[in-house]
Amino acid sequence: KNEVEQSPQNLTAQEGEFITINCSYSVGISALHWLQQHPGGGIVSLFMLSSGKKKHGRLIATINIQEKHSSLHITASHPRDSAVYICARPWGGSNTDKLIFGTGTRLQVFP
Amino acid sequence: NAGVTQTPKFRVLKTGQSMTLLCAQDMNHEYMYWYRQDPGMGLRLIHYSVGEGTTAKGEVPDGYNVSRLKKQNFLLGLESAAPSQTSVYFCASSYMTSGTQYFGPGTRLTVL
Repeated sequence: KNEVEQSPQNLTAQEGEFITINCSYSVGISALHWLQQHPGGGIVSLFMLSSGKKKHGRLIATINIQEKHSSLHITASHPRDSAVYICARPWGGSNTDKLIFGTGTRLQVFP
Repeated sequence: NAGVTQTPKFRVLKTGQSMTLLCAQDMNHEYMYWYRQDPGMGLRLIHYSVGEGTTAKGEVPDGYNVSRLKKQNFLLGLESAAPSQTSVYFCASSYMTSGTQYFGPGTRLTVL
């Protein structure tokens, strides 16, 4: 059982829709990471957040430390947002630990 | 800056053959990692390094060896490849262990 759970596993949307991807974890952590894996395979880090909310363009990440839950939102989705979105947390929870990754949410946005 | 580069991009091996994957970064990062990615599973850490001359085991180290002789390079070796090592291998680097990681483009390895 992966200790970082993501939902849904797969998501399809029409261009312009608001997207939400969820991530839950079982231990207290210092920060959570969101990454994007492009269809060609490349992986880029999107956010690292320890509280509240972060925004970059049309992407918004939120985290509730007490609830052990994070969400990634995409506003006005576009076909180029089609990718696998992965969340990750420090292995032991602290900021000195290696990361453990979720299995990802595959998003397809159709025109 | 090239960021994180990996060579080769693709490789096909026969069972029992050996090979080395090279990862290089030009960001002066202390920490480097080797992951494997398999269908339906999250990225899994094979080995990592917290600085030049140091290496440590990750979640799935069996069958792999690593070396970090220079700060900018992290090598992953397969001494005797097995079909179970068919995977996509990613290298990454970061300033600190749980900080933002920068990934290489990946190496697709097939072991027949």
